[in-house]
Amino acid sequence: DAGVTQSPTHLIKTRGQQVTLRCSPKSGHDTVSWYQQALGQGPQFIFQYYEEEERQRGNFPDRFSGHQFPNYSSELNVNALLLGDSALYLCASSWDTGTQYFGPGTRLTVL
Amino acid sequence: GESVGLHLPTLSVQEGDNSIINCAYSNSASDYFIWYKQESGKGPQFIIDIRSNMDKRQGQRVTVLLNKTVKHLSLQIAATQPGDSAVYFCAETLGGNTPLVFGKGTRLSVIA
Repeated sequence: DAGVTQSPTHLIKTRGQQVTLRCSPKSGHDTVSWYQQALGQGPQFIFQYYEEEERQRGNFPDRFSGHQFPNYSSELNVNALLLGDSALYLCASSWDTGTQYFGPGTRLTVL
Repeated sequence: GESVGLHLPTLSVQEGDNSIINCAYSNSASDYFIWYKQESGKGPQFIIDIRSNMDKRQGQRVTVLLNKTVKHLSLQIAATQPGDSAVYFCAETLGGNTPLVFGKGTRLSVIA
């Protein structure tokens, strides 16, 4: 049984560019949450998708957007990248019980 | 891989000893608590969880204690092994699929 998978593993972008990160949830999970983890910090909640809708959102600007597909996989898009967007982006999937299982993350570096 | 926590509190423990990692959570309404282990370059890995109607829960080599009066959570690891070296985060939620709110994290370093 595959766990949560994310792609790509690493990504380097320049300021002002746009990026798309991808996540496939653990088998049987229908909810995907995205977190941003800056170096030396705990993960911070960005938003959560359920039934292809954004269900909850953390304190992140509209430059951060997402999508969930019918197969429950999800994308995180970030527009107009800033240096401060450099971080590890984590995807977590869950089902009704709410226990969230994390993927390995995508390391985004903005130059 | 890159370092997960550059300036986190560090707990150094001899191999074979027991470890206790503490966490103060923020919301008295939180209903569900989870401990995660994060190794360098990897995502957080679920260790153990506990609901607010319990004060203790045991897993394999790990025990979580919850004190709601002082909003304190602890993770005890028995017979600590080198493979336990990582950053440990506590997380709280209001339950269901509500967002996780993570604590600051503690780096556990096991001395062989």
